[in-house]
Amino acid sequence: DAGVIQSPRHEVTEMGQEVTLRCKPISGHNSLFWYRQTMMRGLELLIYFNNNVPIDDSGMPEDRFSAKMPNASFSTLKIQPSEPRDSAVYFCASSLGGGSPHDQYFGPGTRLTVT
Amino acid sequence: KNQVEQSPQSLIILEGKNCTLQCNYTVSPFSNLRWYKQDTGRGPVSLTIMTFSENTKSNGRYTATLDADTKQSSLHITASQLSDSASYICVVSRQTGANNLFFGTGTRLTVIP
Repeated sequence: DAGVIQSPRHEVTEMGQEVTLRCKPISGHNSLFWYRQTMMRGLELLIYFNNNVPIDDSGMPEDRFSAKMPNASFSTLKIQPSEPRDSAVYFCASSLGGGSPHDQYFGPGTRLTVT
Repeated sequence: KNQVEQSPQSLIILEGKNCTLQCNYTVSPFSNLRWYKQDTGRGPVSLTIMTFSENTKSNGRYTATLDADTKQSSLHITASQLSDSASYICVVSRQTGANNLFFGTGTRLTVIP
């Protein structure tokens, strides 16, 4: 298995632009998680889906962030409009079941820089 | 105050030595505790998951312990290798409520030859 696939690996954009991050979970996994990691705040859970349905989006910072999972093999995290404070590494992870206590498998991350 | 505190923030040890990383938490009601290893520039990789009834779990040279009464966990690394250099993150899950994952800020371990 190729593992969790994320694209792009790096994204540099100007403030105010729309950014879309993509994730393909491991085949057969039915839970998907979006995380953000910064030096200051560490790892933070933004949202997670179970069977393509958003279960908990309380970690999404504000309305500029939105996430979708149209099918079991694809999810997007969109930031519109982007701001410099959104600069971070965004990880996608997938797991079997409801996410606890099954192992979560992380993708390589997307490093986002907003100038 | 963060509900998951890790110590030390950073640690340097000689190759071949053992070390222990600490994780204290206040998360309640407790569901499970995970230790992750994160290499620089990569995503975290799960090392162990422990539920309330488990007080020790091993994964190769990594052994995690859990004391649910004192709300403390430790990760012991035996006979360290250069490849153990990474950040180690403790994550505690709560049984109920929204946003039920709580993250430590990690311990940065450097193993030197």
